[in-house]
Amino acid sequence: GENVEQHPSTLSVQEGDSAVIKCTYSDSASNYFPWYKQELGKRPQLIIDIRSNVGEKKDQRIAVTLNKTAKHFSLHITETQPEDSAVYFCAASGNTGNQFYFGTGTSLTVIP
Amino acid sequence: DSGVTQTPKHLITATGQRVTLRCSPRSGDLSVYWYQQSLDQGLQFLIQYYNGEERAKGNILERFSAQQFPDLHSELNLSSLELGDSALYFCASSAGWGYYEQFFGPGTRLTVL
Repeated sequence: GENVEQHPSTLSVQEGDSAVIKCTYSDSASNYFPWYKQELGKRPQLIIDIRSNVGEKKDQRIAVTLNKTAKHFSLHITETQPEDSAVYFCAASGNTGNQFYFGTGTSLTVIP
Repeated sequence: DSGVTQTPKHLITATGQRVTLRCSPRSGDLSVYWYQQSLDQGLQFLIQYYNGEERAKGNILERFSAQQFPDLHSELNLSSLELGDSALYFCASSAGWGYYEQFFGPGTRLTVL
């Protein structure tokens, strides 16, 4: 089955700096890559996603890039704010049921 | 609010017991997924149902079982509970098959003493 690895496990940045989280996946058939944000004690919520026919997608301060050849994708957060502090999960999914394989999460702390 | 509801919010029980967690998907969603999140751990996929049928199985123990009913709500049954089963259990729903966002419920925190 699919195996998703996520790095780093923890990340601290100064407010205003950029944060980058990277994920790799193993199954070349995976074609949908969502990113979820989970604040402390809350449910995971989708923040951005990308499909395999797209190399990059942006939504205000958040962007995701995908390299299908290398089987890795990354989340970029620019101009970080304290409210960006949370755990971020990447996931990969194929077209055989929408089953998500999640990475182990990155705990992001934005220092004011 | 994602539109996905889970009950109960908290559950405290003893080892060896059996519990049932309930999930109601968003209106119109046909797929339901169950995940386990242990302390400081990621989201472990357990099982998926689509319109009443089991469609995918992840790392679900034999002591665990689930089903999706005709009204599309789902229940996750955990039996012969062990201390290690203490975790946050999330239910998620999506509209269907393929590239669909999964909407997560608030979770049920299970504590096994």
